[in-house]
Amino acid sequence: TQLLEQSPQFLSIQEGENLTVYCNSSSVFSSLQWYRQEPGEGPVLLVTVVTGGEVKKLKRLTFQFGDARKDSSLHITAAQPGDTGLYLCAGDGGATNKLIFGTGTLLAVQP
Amino acid sequence: DTAVSQTPKYLVTQMGNDKSIKCEQNLGHDTMYWYKQDSKKFLKIMFSYNNKELIINETVPNRFSPKSPDKAHLNLHINSLELGDSAVYFCASSQTGTGNRGYTFGSGTRLTVV
Repeated sequence: TQLLEQSPQFLSIQEGENLTVYCNSSSVFSSLQWYRQEPGEGPVLLVTVVTGGEVKKLKRLTFQFGDARKDSSLHITAAQPGDTGLYLCAGDGGATNKLIFGTGTLLAVQP
Repeated sequence: DTAVSQTPKYLVTQMGNDKSIKCEQNLGHDTMYWYKQDSKKFLKIMFSYNNKELIINETVPNRFSPKSPDKAHLNLHINSLELGDSAVYFCASSQTGTGNRGYTFGSGTRLTVV
């Protein structure tokens, strides 16, 4: 069974701080996606990483895919209250077109 | 114009009742999904349809029956509702063969069984 563990589970920080969220698995994924979910809404895709070692930037967010394609990280620089939400990583096993979601990281950025 | 829309947004019902949730996507995607999000926010896939054909059926009680009349619609019918069915149910869609295969989610249906 493919599992994706995220850490930390909860994170409460002040505006302007930096943070990193980790997504780890013992399984290899053909690609990995990051989503953000706000209360009362569905997850929204932020980025997809495909190649081992790949780094993608989205404004203040930096995503990295591990060399072995088993793990990923999301780094936020100078967090803002608008970054508050549930961050979910999701791995694509490939064959079944089925996304396996991580356990989630709930981020609260205080003004 | 909503890409993936599901109705109703909220559903409160008594144990033993039968209810349906509807989902429609206007993105032209060929694959649709139902996910269940529990109280700990964990998202677990239930079903997936590709061009109206069931391709993923996870370990879900057979009280749950998906139906896809066409590739733009995927409905979920639940018989004999139980307290443990209370959760948020999300519909999503994607297009196979594209580079990132990102999912587009609906805004969810919060089901409360009392």
